[in-house]
Parts: sequence; C-alpha cells; structure tokens
Amino acid sequence: ETGVTQTPRHLVMGMTNKKSLKCEQHLGHNAMYWYKQSAKKPLELMFVYNFKEQTENNSVPSRFSPECPNSSHLFLHLHTLQPEDSALYLCASSQDSQGFNYGYTFGSGTRLTVV
Amino acid sequence: GESVGLHLPTLSVQEGDNSIINCAYSNSASDYFIWYKQESGKGPQFIIDIRSNMDKRQGQRVTVLLNKTVKHLSLQIAATQPGDSAVYFCAEWGRTGGSYIPTFGRGTSLIVHP
Repeated sequence: ETGVTQTPRHLVMGMTNKKSLKCEQHLGHNAMYWYKQSAKKPLELMFVYNFKEQTENNSVPSRFSPECPNSSHLFLHLHTLQPEDSALYLCASSQDSQGFNYGYTFGSGTRLTVV
Repeated sequence: GESVGLHLPTLSVQEGDNSIINCAYSNSASDYFIWYKQESGKGPQFIIDIRSNMDKRQGQRVTVLLNKTVKHLSLQIAATQPGDSAVYFCAEWGRTGGSYIPTFGRGTSLIVHP
C-alpha cells in the first residue's frame, strides 16, 4: 500500500451508465490529481486539486466531473462515457501542487472498461 | 511542444546483469526528475529522484544520472532481479507558465530472465 487507495480496482460500465471513482489518501498531502493512463501512452493529466480547490482542468470532456470534498478525498464522476475512455485511471497526491519532496504518490488505479 | 521520451520501449536482460534505461527530455527549464516503476496491475512507484543541481544520485541498487548538456536522464539498476521486471518511466518537473506540472515519458518495459 502506498497510502493512496483507489476504489473500485476494476469497473465495467455501459455508455449510458453513471459511476464514480474514489480516491483516498492518508498521507497528509494537500494536492490530489487524476491521471489517465492508456496503453503505450504517457500519463495524461486530467485534474489538479490543491487545498480542495481545482487548479487545473486539462481540457477534459465534461463527461468527466471531479469532486474534492476535502484534502483527503477525491472523486471522479463518470457519465455517458465512450469506448475510447477505457483506460487505467490513476489518482495521485503530493505535499502541494508543486510536486517537491518525492513528487507524487500514486494509487493502484481503477481499470475502466466502457462497453 | 515539450516532451519526455524513451529510447527503447523494451529491454530484456538476464538476472544478475546491470540494466540501463534511458530518457530524453526537451524542456531545458526542467529542474526536478523522478524515475517511477510500474508493475502490472499497480500504480507507479517512486524509485529515485534527482534535482538539476546534481548529475548523479545513488540509491539501493539504483543510480540516476543526469546530463543537462544533452538533456538526458538514465536509470541504472545493478544486479537486476526478476522482481525488477516492470515498466519504468521518467518524469520531469519544470515551470510552464504559472504551472509546475510534470511531464511523463511513455515508459520502457524491463524484462528480466532468470
């Protein structure tokens, strides 16, 4: 365990479904991130939250909706996804959004399959 | 745009050999670098980092070398073990506009044969 927990580990959803991914960290970090990892591609930043405030939205489609109720929890709400959204979704946290002091700590990810 | 890339997508070695994984970066303003290891079914795990004011840093069985002149980063793993089999990728931190967000490489798959 890295200290960043993601649930569920695997998710299969239809294109008309609504689901949510959850991320929780107990490291006392103040910044949390959502990344998309597709096969043979670099990690793609989706959202950044620093002290519960969204500071980055990397041109992510509105079918992905993040929520950060506190510094320890991060959600990614999904609705009307497309098959090309199938990927590994990684949550990460860091001391702050500058990423110093050992960079990011990642969770194990949620493997999402859209059918 | 700026990007971080890897020279070899797959590296196969024999157990006990030394492994070298390379990474090229293009943002000359990058000042912090991390190597991550990602095993199958897991998230990326921090291995070692280096700041731009250094050119070498050693950890347990791993060494990172930074050559700022040619913007090249390498990860050396000594006495490679089967448990080292994973995807390794580098990340660079540099300020772009008002943000200080990392850029990640695609990764190199290291396969260690017993």
